[in-house]
Amino acid sequence: DAGVIQSPRHEVTEMGQEVTLRCKPISGHNSLFWYRQTMMRGLELLIYFNNNVPIDDSGMPEDRFSAKMPNASFSTLKIQPSEPRDSAVYFCASSYRASNTGELFFGEGSRLTVL
Amino acid sequence: AQSVSQHNHHVILSEAASLELGCNYSYGGTVNLFWYVQYPGQHLQLLLKYFSGDPLVKGIKGFEAEFIKSKFSFNLRKPSVQWSDTAEYFCAVKAHNTDKLIFGTGTRLQVFP
Repeated sequence: DAGVIQSPRHEVTEMGQEVTLRCKPISGHNSLFWYRQTMMRGLELLIYFNNNVPIDDSGMPEDRFSAKMPNASFSTLKIQPSEPRDSAVYFCASSYRASNTGELFFGEGSRLTVL
Repeated sequence: AQSVSQHNHHVILSEAASLELGCNYSYGGTVNLFWYVQYPGQHLQLLLKYFSGDPLVKGIKGFEAEFIKSKFSFNLRKPSVQWSDTAEYFCAVKAHNTDKLIFGTGTRLQVFP
């Protein structure tokens, strides 16, 4: 059974460039979450979707960040333009909302370095 | 809004020592509680969870946690740690009226042989 799949695993880019992170949730899961992990702040929830609809984006740092979920099997997190302070590991996670347990299944993460 | 506090940021133990990691949450209603573990270079994995019933929850690899409602706590324990338990441990809480899982800042555990 495939887990949550994220790409790229590592990305190094220069300040000002656009970055797109991708996520494929577990088949059948209908909630998708984007988290950012840094040493200073730990795991921060950026945005989550239920049934492809964004529900809460209050954790998105600023307008440079945007996320989409065009269908049940794909989501993107875009940063444009990127800045060095965006360097972090970005995790995607999915869950089956009706289970009501809240358990999330995480991907391997995308490590972003902005120079 | 709910929040989670993990008191220990960095814990260093020798093998066979006992472990207790503190976790407190702030939320007045019904919650689901979780401990996730992140081994070096890996993604987060569920260690154990509580959502109802017996407040003493047993997870994988000999870990357990006790939900004490009156103290808003969900501390993680293991009677005898191993070198392979070296990892970062995250406590998380989900309120029943939301889908959001809020994590604490994590506790880094280092176990020396």
